[in-house]
Amino acid sequence: LAKTTQPISMDSYEGQEVNITCSHNNIATNDYITWYQQFPSQGPRFIIQGYKTKVTNEVASLFIPADRKSSTLSLPRVSLSDTAVYYCLHNTDKLIFGTGTRLQVFP
Amino acid sequence: DARVTQTPRDKVTEMGQEVTMRCQPILGHNTVFWYRQTMMQGLELLAYFRNRAPLDDSGMPKDRFSAEMPDATLATLKIQPSEPRDSAVYFCASGLVSGIGAGELFFGEGSRLTVL
Repeated sequence: LAKTTQPISMDSYEGQEVNITCSHNNIATNDYITWYQQFPSQGPRFIIQGYKTKVTNEVASLFIPADRKSSTLSLPRVSLSDTAVYYCLHNTDKLIFGTGTRLQVFP
Repeated sequence: DARVTQTPRDKVTEMGQEVTMRCQPILGHNTVFWYRQTMMQGLELLAYFRNRAPLDDSGMPKDRFSAEMPDATLATLKIQPSEPRDSAVYFCASGLVSGIGAGELFFGEGSRLTVL
């Protein structure tokens, strides 16, 4: 079973950088690490995926250390609209969601 | 703009009734997932299909739930008979899974089920 551990919640302020770390000690060699975002009353939305080192897209960066037992999602300069639940997953095939991190961004 | 379409958006029914939820995945996607979300349990994977074949339905209560893909444009999740504990939001998601990670899944807006 793909088990991940994340902080239950985090608070931040607009304009700050937010880093959410996830541990996945039992990650398999072929597993990729994927992050999703979910707003209330909506389905999750893909943010970013990576296998090792660093991946960056227009929304976020994903940092993965060499042992791959953890990963950090970095959101630069958050805004109020980034308030959501963020899920970390590792997978080769089926996606199992954990409890996620509830990020609250304040003005 | 391609999207996953789910119907119904909202369903209120009485205990013991049959409920069928439908999902139209994005054209060209080869994998379809069904999830259930509640406040207590979070997002639970119920079942998923690859090229219309069921790969895993271990998350689904077998006695009352069934999932099928009669064709590439339709996935169904049926509950018979429904119980109050089935009240949840049911999400369908589709993706093009190539073996290099599951890639990006696209989720529908969900079907909110209330069983009285």
